[in-house]
Amino acid sequence: GAVVSQHPSRVICKSGTSVKIECRSLDFQATTMFWYRQFPKKSLMLMATSNEGSKATYEQGVEKDKFLINHASLTLSTLTVTSAHPEDSSFYICSARDGITNEKLFFGSGTQLSVL
Amino acid sequence: AQKITQTQPGMFVQEKEAVTLDCTYDTSDPSYGLFWYKQPSSGEMIFLIYQGSYDQQNATEGRYSLNFQKARKSANLVISASQLGDSAMYFCAMREGSNAGNMLTFGGGTRLMVKP
Repeated sequence: GAVVSQHPSRVICKSGTSVKIECRSLDFQATTMFWYRQFPKKSLMLMATSNEGSKATYEQGVEKDKFLINHASLTLSTLTVTSAHPEDSSFYICSARDGITNEKLFFGSGTQLSVL
Repeated sequence: AQKITQTQPGMFVQEKEAVTLDCTYDTSDPSYGLFWYKQPSSGEMIFLIYQGSYDQQNATEGRYSLNFQKARKSANLVISASQLGDSAMYFCAMREGSNAGNMLTFGGGTRLMVKP
């Protein structure tokens, strides 16, 4: 089946630094990728929709300048948390749609971000 | 109003027994898709089953079946012959519209615990 690789799986950083999270579709082309944020024991909250070659569409309440999303190719989308603060600590997970079996969304394994 | 509601924050089931996880949804779009995902403690999201709004029959995938009651707007997940490895968070999700690239909206999740 389709595979989505997300890296890193865990990152600890100091407050004020920036962190980049990569999401790759390994065996299919993903024109659309989604970025979610999940707090402990909570549901997934959509942050933004990433479209290849165009600007991401952010959900209400998500700061565009804080969470930079780039989707430069059909297999790679990145989320950069800029000037991270402790309140940005969370579990971030990406997903991508396989254009062939398009009813399924495949998810990355997630990234646990801890900001000290 | 909540688009996806999972009323059971936690459920216990005895190993080898069947369990039903509830999900109700709210949409005015005649075309939509309903999904169930499993999230073990590792955080990854595992696709379980999909039901399209125009599908005549309830979806089944191995031990998973979806009890789709369109008039009631419910899409309950039934897991038969529970196994210890089924212990996880389970999320119901909906995609509105016929475009498979549309985002998913998730319910709050149900934590299933299988007792030996």
